[in-house]
Amino acid sequence: KAGVTQTPRYLIKTRGQQVTLSCSPISGHRSVSWYQQTPGQGLQFLFEYFSETQRNKGNFPGRFSGRQFSNSRSEMNVSTLELGDSALYLCASSFTSGGAVGELFFGEGSRLTVL
Amino acid sequence: AQSVTQLGSHVSVSEGALVLLRCNYSSSVPPYLFWYVQYPNQGLQLLLKYTTGATLVKGINGFEAEFKKSETSFHLTKPSAHMSDAAEYFCAVTRNTGTASKLTFGTGTRLQVTL
Repeated sequence: KAGVTQTPRYLIKTRGQQVTLSCSPISGHRSVSWYQQTPGQGLQFLFEYFSETQRNKGNFPGRFSGRQFSNSRSEMNVSTLELGDSALYLCASSFTSGGAVGELFFGEGSRLTVL
Repeated sequence: AQSVTQLGSHVSVSEGALVLLRCNYSSSVPPYLFWYVQYPNQGLQLLLKYTTGATLVKGINGFEAEFKKSETSFHLTKPSAHMSDAAEYFCAVTRNTGTASKLTFGTGTRLQVTL
């Protein structure tokens, strides 16, 4: 069974640009969550999608957005990039339903550098 | 609100020695607790989790953790460290109210294993 796949693995952008990151969950998993990891703030929850609906959202500005497609693949977008957006963005999938606590399976992340 | 505190950002042990990584949590409702491990340039992998039931939880790679409600702790232990255990370890908490994927992580503990 293939794991969680994130693309691209590495990317460099400049301030003011926008970026789209992609996540393909494990087959059969309907929940996709996104986390931002930085040395200063650690791991912070961005949002979760389940069956194409945003189920939860963290405390990030509106520049951070996401969506989920009918095949459960998810994308997140960051507009008007700032230097502080440089981070490792981790996607995690889960076979959760009805709020049951399941295991999160993480991808290897997309490392974004903003210059 | 929930939170976790990991005592010690860096822990160094000799190969074969006991590994003890500390985690204390704060939660107004019964917590679900997790330990994840992150190897360099990789995503996170679940070591073990506590939801309900037995308070001593056994995980992968010989790790285990004990949920102690009276001490609000969920410390991670391994009787004998191996060089391959060198990684960063994260404690995380959530609660079962539809936020199954919204984990709150600690700041992490980097484990170094020396010969």
